[in-house]
Amino acid sequence: AQSVTQPDIHITVSEGASLELRCNYSYGATPYLFWYVQSPGQGLQLLLKYFSGDTLVQGIKGFEAEFKRSQSSFNLRKPSVHWSDAAEYFCAVRPGGYNKLIFGAGTRLAVHP
Amino acid sequence: NAGVMQNPRHLVRRRGQEARLRCSPMKGHSHVYWYRQLPEEGLKFMVYLQKENIIDESGMPKERFSAEFPKEGPSILRIQQVVRGDSAAYFCASSPARDSAYEQYFGPGTRLTVT
Repeated sequence: AQSVTQPDIHITVSEGASLELRCNYSYGATPYLFWYVQSPGQGLQLLLKYFSGDTLVQGIKGFEAEFKRSQSSFNLRKPSVHWSDAAEYFCAVRPGGYNKLIFGAGTRLAVHP
Repeated sequence: NAGVMQNPRHLVRRRGQEARLRCSPMKGHSHVYWYRQLPEEGLKFMVYLQKENIIDESGMPKERFSAEFPKEGPSILRIQQVVRGDSAAYFCASSPARDSAYEQYFGPGTRLTVT
């Protein structure tokens, strides 16, 4: 069965520090991959997505993610975190041929001033 | 262009009552998805609908839950005889077509509390 693992439940970084959020997926072929951000009490906003092609994907708000087929990973990165980035981040996969998204459990990011 | 609309934003029901959650997709979108987020968990797929058709309901509980997306009006997620375990945030998403290349746009969610 397809699954998504986000190993880090909580991460705390200082403002201005770099960030990497991990995501691993389990699926036989290359799925479509997504990162969403959820602010408290809000819906989900798409940060970036990977379908094919260049394995380094640029998204909104200065985020990027790299798809590594050999590691079944799609880690999210940001070189310098802002206090407004504090939120919960969800990695999701969309197996080919299906329309549903399969989400990881999320990583809650806290940013210290 | 308004985004995905969900109402109510917050809903409180006593055990045994019915809950009706509404979702209006983005303009031009004919595909609707419902997800449930339990406390401290990620979102779990429930059902995928097109106008007047249920395409995939593999994530729907077998009892008490139903969904529809009529030709006119919003999509409705209906939970009959709610229990405490139904307390969760329910998110609706929409997309313009079935093609997996189209991203899903999410609404703000309905937070259901069962007392």
